[in-house]
Amino acid sequence: SQKIEQNSEALNIQEGKTATLTCNYTNYSPAYLQWYRQDPGRGPVFLLLIRENEKEKRKERLKVTFDTTLKQSLFHITASQPADSATYLCALINSGNTPLVFGKGTRLSVIA
Amino acid sequence: DGGITQSPKYLFRKEGQNVTLSCEQNLNHDAMYWYRQDPGQGLRLIYYSQIVNDFQKGDIAEGYSVSREKKESFPLTVTSAQKNPTAFYLCASSRRTVQETQYFGPGTRLLVL
Repeated sequence: SQKIEQNSEALNIQEGKTATLTCNYTNYSPAYLQWYRQDPGRGPVFLLLIRENEKEKRKERLKVTFDTTLKQSLFHITASQPADSATYLCALINSGNTPLVFGKGTRLSVIA
Repeated sequence: DGGITQSPKYLFRKEGQNVTLSCEQNLNHDAMYWYRQDPGQGLRLIYYSQIVNDFQKGDIAEGYSVSREKKESFPLTVTSAQKNPTAFYLCASSRRTVQETQYFGPGTRLLVL
């Protein structure tokens, strides 16, 4: 069966450290993968998109990798700050004309 | 200001009543979506629409209905057939196709008493 899994429900890290969140998928062949941020009680906000032929994408303190062999994407936040505390969702595009498939998210807490 | 609006932010209804959640966008996007979010469940797709007067069921369409009479509007009705309607409902849109980046509204929290 098809699955998209974000391995940790919650992740706590110290301010200044690098946070690494994982997104694994099974029985999908996504052309690209996206990451979103969601704050409590609000809608998700798009952060980054990475295509299957891209190994890595960066945006300020954010870095995303995409390994189609391992069927995994890693999302890194360097020099993390308490303001980075939120839930982060990965989403992938499936084949055919069907909408994005979202993972359940990982709740990140950055402790000062 | 371009964006997606959902109203109201909080909605209370008695059990057995139908309720309609509003979603409006002024982004000129073709595709629109409705999701339900429960604690620990992530986003679950209820319905989506790629063009006016056309929509498709998502993963959990039972007990819900939608309409798409105008490009900018995609209201969701939670019917009395929905067994557990209390949840956080999110509307989203994407520019042209369902495979593009989604832009979300602020959500409506529905509480059925």
